[in-house]
Amino acid sequence: AQSVSQHNHHVILSEAASLELGCNYSYGGTVNLFWYVQYPGQHLQLLLKYFSGDPLVKGIKGFEAEFIKSKFSFNLRKPSVQWSDTAEYFCALGAGNNRKLIWGLGTSLAVNP
Amino acid sequence: NAGVTQTPKFRILKIGQSMTLQCAQDMNHNYMYWYRQDPGMGLKLIYYSVGAGITDKGEVPNGYNVSRSTTEDFPLRLELAAPSQTSVYFCASSYGTSQETQYFGPGTRLLVL
Repeated sequence: AQSVSQHNHHVILSEAASLELGCNYSYGGTVNLFWYVQYPGQHLQLLLKYFSGDPLVKGIKGFEAEFIKSKFSFNLRKPSVQWSDTAEYFCALGAGNNRKLIWGLGTSLAVNP
Repeated sequence: NAGVTQTPKFRILKIGQSMTLQCAQDMNHNYMYWYRQDPGMGLKLIYYSVGAGITDKGEVPNGYNVSRSTTEDFPLRLELAAPSQTSVYFCASSYGTSQETQYFGPGTRLLVL
């Protein structure tokens, strides 16, 4: 069965710390992978996505993610977080021709100023 | 463009009451979705539609109904509200399949007492 696992449910960092949020998926075929973000009081929006090509994907606000096929992973990274990065982050999997995305449970990130 | 709009923003229902959550998009998107978000549980797909007149069940359709008579509108109907339906409901849309960028509305917070 297709699934997405986000290892960290709650992460607390200080400003300027580096961030890596884990995302692993379960599916043996072609995948599209997404990170969505939900800032406090706002609706979800796309942070970045991988469809094909360069496995290192760059998104908005200095975020990037690396697709590692051999590890079934799509971890989100940012070298130096800011207080404004406080949000909930969701990893999602588009598997093959599946009409529906498979969503992870989300990771809540709190950045202390 | 207004994007995806949802009404109401907040509603309190008594057990057994019914209501319709409204969702509209002005981006001429074919695909529309209804999700519910519960704390620590991520996003669960309730129903989705691939075009006017075509709807299909998601992961958690029980207790809900949808219709899609136009490209723009995708209302979600709750019949006989139950406390388990207390949640935040998000409507989203995408131009093509779910594996294209989904655009989310601001959400409807529903409390069933």
